Amino acid sequence: RKEVEQDPGPFNVPEGATVAFNCTYSNSASQSFFWYRQDCRKEPKLLMSVYSSGNEDGRFTAQLNRASQYISLLIRDSKLSDSATYLCVVNRGRGAGNNRKLIWGLGTSLAVNP
Amino acid sequence: EADIYQTPRYLVIGTGKKITLECSQTMGHDKMYWYQQDPGMELHLIHYSYGVNSTEKGDLSSESTVSRIRTEHFPLTLESARPSHTSQYLCASSDPGRPQETQYFGPGTRLLVL
Repeated sequence: RKEVEQDPGPFNVPEGATVAFNCTYSNSASQSFFWYRQDCRKEPKLLMSVYSSGNEDGRFTAQLNRASQYISLLIRDSKLSDSATYLCVVNRGRGAGNNRKLIWGLGTSLAVNP
Repeated sequence: EADIYQTPRYLVIGTGKKITLECSQTMGHDKMYWYQQDPGMELHLIHYSYGVNSTEKGDLSSESTVSRIRTEHFPLTLESARPSHTSQYLCASSDPGRPQETQYFGPGTRLLVL
């Protein structure tokens, strides 16, 4: 079982739709959570960090459920420019060395259609 | 916007050649990373460094080596390139001053070994 699991999709949605992605992680000691966005053949870029109380940035809302060990990303009013792969990223837990490294999900592909 | 640079962006080279992929950042970040990513696959950490003269191997075994003589520079070397080394190599750095140590990526080097 992978440490971070995501549904690879693709999710095909019309413009204006609301779409949600989930991601599960296996390490209960994980402390930091992120959503990154990666456009085709480009480098990943941070979309948002995920905080325990949940957080919102414009049309994007991230939630963390520690009990069930999953994080979610909600995109409202989808735009064509939202088409990308969304990567779930989790750190391995506390401490130095290997415990501080980030584990990357495979990503969920989103295509927003006109 | 992150100031992290990689050269070359694309490299096509024959088997057996020695190559060095350059990565530099002007943000003064102590932590730097090398990832390998194949098309449609997740990022795998191959090397990381927590500062000058500090280098560690990542999760994915790699025949490459790295050095960290200066804070801003983290080159990756393959002594004898093979077709199995064909991949995209992404360099990143992180700022411990930012919440949860966000990683910033360079544009990547696409390597093709013939």
